[in-house]
Amino acid sequence: DQQVKQNSPSLSVQEGRISILNCDYTNSMFDYFLWYKKYPAEGPTFLISISSIKDKNEDGRFTVFLNKSAKHLSLHIVPSQPGDSAVYFCAASAIENSGGYQKVTFGTGTKLQVIP
Amino acid sequence: DAMVIQNPRYQVTQFGKPVTLSCSQTLNHNVMYWYQQKSSQAPKLLFHYYDKDFNNEADTPDNFQSRRPNTSFCFLDIRSPGLGDAAMYLCATSISRSYNEQFFGPGTRLTVL
Repeated sequence: DQQVKQNSPSLSVQEGRISILNCDYTNSMFDYFLWYKKYPAEGPTFLISISSIKDKNEDGRFTVFLNKSAKHLSLHIVPSQPGDSAVYFCAASAIENSGGYQKVTFGTGTKLQVIP
Repeated sequence: DAMVIQNPRYQVTQFGKPVTLSCSQTLNHNVMYWYQQKSSQAPKLLFHYYDKDFNNEADTPDNFQSRRPNTSFCFLDIRSPGLGDAAMYLCATSISRSYNEQFFGPGTRLTVL
């Protein structure tokens, strides 16, 4: 049961254009959402996050949008740069009922290629 | 630089031969996590330590165990690896269990022959 879904395994974008990575979730208890970026041979690194009480969070070229009614979030990268080429994981967090801690659930990732 | 270190980066073992993967951190974080990631799949949480308190996920096989002898180190033991245990194993840390951001190591790629 995949609670966090990234339906696009890969995405190619021209340098300078906008990259839009999408993520859908099914668990309405998720209250915090994160995006991680992963380069080959490295672990995922935190990129940007958003709380469920907001609908937008911006950090430089990166903006995350949250649509709670649609259970959908997206990551926008503007302008895209070749160094942005990586795998992007969407993640969502909720209180684990049995343990009382925040449990993070990851999506399968989208591989972004920015073409110079 | 503060970081999460995993050794070895690549581990080959034989079917049924016990193997231990290592994780260390210089972040002084209270929580350490172990994830299993198979090809084209999402990282799957196996268990975590909150300080010395061990928390197992309900669907983690008994074949997987963990030890945390001190704040800095955490080990993943696979008692009898099967072919289906071949995967990338990621260690992560966070400041606390209520803090969502996690810091990951580079992972250990396990091959089972």
